[in-house]
Amino acid sequence: KAGVTQTPRYLIKTRGQQVTLSCSPISGHRSVSWYQQTPGQGLQFLFEYFSETQRNKGNFPGRFSGRQFSNSRSEMNVSTLELGDSALYLCASSLGYLRSYNSPLHFGNGTRLTVT
Amino acid sequence: AQTVTQSQPEMSVQEAETVTLSCTYDTSESDYYLFWYKQPPSRQMILVIRQEAYKQQNATENRFSVNFQKAAKSFSLKISDSQLGDAAMYFCAYRSAERSQGAQKLVFGQGTRLTINP
Repeated sequence: KAGVTQTPRYLIKTRGQQVTLSCSPISGHRSVSWYQQTPGQGLQFLFEYFSETQRNKGNFPGRFSGRQFSNSRSEMNVSTLELGDSALYLCASSLGYLRSYNSPLHFGNGTRLTVT
Repeated sequence: AQTVTQSQPEMSVQEAETVTLSCTYDTSESDYYLFWYKQPPSRQMILVIRQEAYKQQNATENRFSVNFQKAAKSFSLKISDSQLGDAAMYFCAYRSAERSQGAQKLVFGQGTRLTINP
């Protein structure tokens, strides 16, 4: 079974631009979440989607947004990029809310975003 | 809000020996889940072990075991017979059992970098 796939693996953008990151969950997983990892702040929860609906959101500005498609694939978007948005963005998937609420999260390899 | 603290930024151990990584957390909830994740240089977070707070028995997965002290809010990870492949960043994480908190929201500690000396 294929794992969580994130594309691209590396991305370099300029301040003020916007970026879209993609995540394909494990087949059959319906919950997808996003995390930001930086040396200073560590791992922080961005948001979570299930059945195309945002279920939970972390404490990030509105420049960070996401969505989930009917096939459970998810994208996150960051608009008006700032230098501080440079980070590793990790996506995770799980079975979700229905039969296996406490099913473990499976993470992808992340997208390394550098803002110059 | 819940917090997770890992007080050891770095640890090192000789191959084949045992090492314990510390984690404490703060919560007012009575039901929750605790996890240890490993992040090697490949960047992928890999689940090592998990513990349900309502279970008194400490979780064990092969060479990995935890010491869960609910009253003390402590959740340490013991790695026995350390192997070179165990070298990685280790993160302790908390997840609420309240469905309103979401199924995937983890609160992570700052991590402990584990080095294995041959």
